[in-house]
Amino acid sequence: DAGVTQSPTHLIKTRGQQVTLRCSPKSGHDTVSWYQQALGQGPQFIFQYYEEEERQRGNFPDRFSGHQFPNYSSELNVNALLLGDSALYLCASSPGPTANTGELFFGEGSRLTVL
Amino acid sequence: SQKIEQNSEALNIQEGKTATLTCNYTNYSPAYLQWYRQDPGRGPVFLLLIRENEKEKRKERLKVTFDTTLKQSLFHITASQPADSATYLCAPLYSGAGSYQLTFGKGTKLSVIP
Repeated sequence: DAGVTQSPTHLIKTRGQQVTLRCSPKSGHDTVSWYQQALGQGPQFIFQYYEEEERQRGNFPDRFSGHQFPNYSSELNVNALLLGDSALYLCASSPGPTANTGELFFGEGSRLTVL
Repeated sequence: SQKIEQNSEALNIQEGKTATLTCNYTNYSPAYLQWYRQDPGRGPVFLLLIRENEKEKRKERLKVTFDTTLKQSLFHITASQPADSATYLCAPLYSGAGSYQLTFGKGTKLSVIP
């Protein structure tokens, strides 16, 4: 049973560029959340997708956008990259947005470096 | 806004001893509080969840307590082993905040010394 998979694992971009990160949720999960983790910090919630719609959003500018596909996979797009966008981007899946257990299954992350 | 504080950035402990990590939150109590383990360069891994109306939860060598009066959760690892060395994150989940919109602390880096 494959867990949450993310790609790419590492990437380097320059300021002003755009980046797309991809995530496939754990089998049986239909809800995907994205988190940003800067070095030495805890993960910060970006947004959550369920039924191909953004359901919740954290305190991130609209340079951060996403998409969910019919197969539940998801993309995170960041436009006009800033140096401060350098971070580990984590995708987490769950079996529905209102499941009782509440635990999240995280992927290994995509490490983005902006130069 | 909610503020999550984990007692220290780093904790060193001798193998075999009990490690105790602290998570403090401000304002109102979360409906749930979760603990995750994160190894360097890896995604967090869920360990335990405790509900607002539960005082204590155990899983093998792990124990979590939740004190809504003190606004604090304690995470214990008994008989610690070098393999327990990692960063431990607490993550309260507030009702009304939306499912799975976790607010993570910065984490405590635990080092278990052989």
